[in-house]
Amino acid sequence: ETGVTQTPRHLVMGMTNKKSLKCEQHLGHNAMYWYKQSAKKPLELMFVYNFKEQTENNSVPSRFSPECPNSSHLFLHLHTLQPEDSALYLCASSPETGRHEQYFGPGTRLTVT
Amino acid sequence: KNQVEQSPQSLIILEGKNCTLQCNYTVSPFSNLRWYKQDTGRGPVSLTIMTFSENTKSNGRYTATLDADTKQSSLHITASQLSDSASYICVVSDEYSGGGADGLTFGKGTHLIIQP
Repeated sequence: ETGVTQTPRHLVMGMTNKKSLKCEQHLGHNAMYWYKQSAKKPLELMFVYNFKEQTENNSVPSRFSPECPNSSHLFLHLHTLQPEDSALYLCASSPETGRHEQYFGPGTRLTVT
Repeated sequence: KNQVEQSPQSLIILEGKNCTLQCNYTVSPFSNLRWYKQDTGRGPVSLTIMTFSENTKSNGRYTATLDADTKQSSLHITASQLSDSASYICVVSDEYSGGGADGLTFGKGTHLIIQP
């Protein structure tokens, strides 16, 4: 185990649903990240939080809304998703942003129907 | 544009055999290169990290090499085991971002299958 947990592990939702992904890290880190991993594509960085402040938003559609209430928890709120949003969503954390190793959670496998 | 190309895309070998995975990059200026192992249904786990001055780094049966002049890296797996079946991802960081997440360029990964 890497010290980063994600729930749920699997999620199937319709295009009109609203759901949230949760990430929790037990490593005392201050930076947390959301990534999208699609089949046969490299990991795509979505959002970065450092000390609870969002520092990166890589042109992610507004149907994805992150929330970081404290340094240990990160949420990804989902609404009106499209089938092409189906992917593995990975959360990661690191001591801070910068040249630090990132520790990844197991991911949430999302299917949009 | 920074790019990381990995080859082969997939590889099947018999248990006990050795194999080498390749990573070519165009990231500049270079900061560091990491190899990650991602088991099916799990998140990536770091195997090695190398900076400009390092040519070789080992982690058990995994040995990574780096040629910063030709911008190539390889990951050699010795005496493969069934548990080595996974995707192996090469990640290169550039200096502009101080090595931060926005400066990371990920490869698509090599899918390795070890057969008994």
